[in-house]
Amino acid sequence: AQSVTQPDIHITVSEGASLELRCNYSYGATPYLFWYVQSPGQGLQLLLKYFSGDTLVQGIKGFEAEFKRSQSSFNLRKPSVHWSDAAEYFCAVGAQGSQGNLIFGKGTKLSVKP
Amino acid sequence: KAGVTQTPRYLIKTRGQQVTLSCSPISGHRSVSWYQQTPGQGLQFLFEYFSETQRNKGNFPGRFSGRQFSNSRSEMNVSTLELGDSALYLCASSAEVAGELFFGEGSRLTVL
Repeated sequence: AQSVTQPDIHITVSEGASLELRCNYSYGATPYLFWYVQSPGQGLQLLLKYFSGDTLVQGIKGFEAEFKRSQSSFNLRKPSVHWSDAAEYFCAVGAQGSQGNLIFGKGTKLSVKP
Repeated sequence: KAGVTQTPRYLIKTRGQQVTLSCSPISGHRSVSWYQQTPGQGLQFLFEYFSETQRNKGNFPGRFSGRQFSNSRSEMNVSTLELGDSALYLCASSAEVAGELFFGEGSRLTVL
């Protein structure tokens, strides 16, 4: 069965420091992979997606993610975190032809220290 | 272009009642999906509609139902509410080819 694991429930980083959020997935075929961000009381906003091609994907707000098939990972990175990045981040996997049905990880809450 | 609109944003019901939530997708999007978000279970897929047909369904009891209208607007209904149905219900729309979901801000349901 498809699944997504985000090992870190809560991460705190200092403003200006680099960030890496981990995501591991389990899926039988080539997955569609996504990272979403959710601010308190808000819906989810797509940061970036991977369907195929270049394994390093650039997204909005300076985020990037790298697809590593051998490690079944899709980690999210940002070189320098801003206080406004504090939010909850969700990794998700989907299947071709069923894009409306995503399997989400439990999320990683990011806190940013001034 | 207007985003995904969900109504109502907040509502309180009591056990045994039923509730209907509404979702207006982004103009031109024909696919609408619904998700339940709770602190314990996280984000769970409820169902997906495309052109008024349910295309996929998650693992929820029959008390949870939905429908989509010809203008792509969608509603979901939960009958015989239970305390455990308290959650944020998120609707998302997508253009079929892009495969990217655009989420609304959700309807927060509290069951007392």
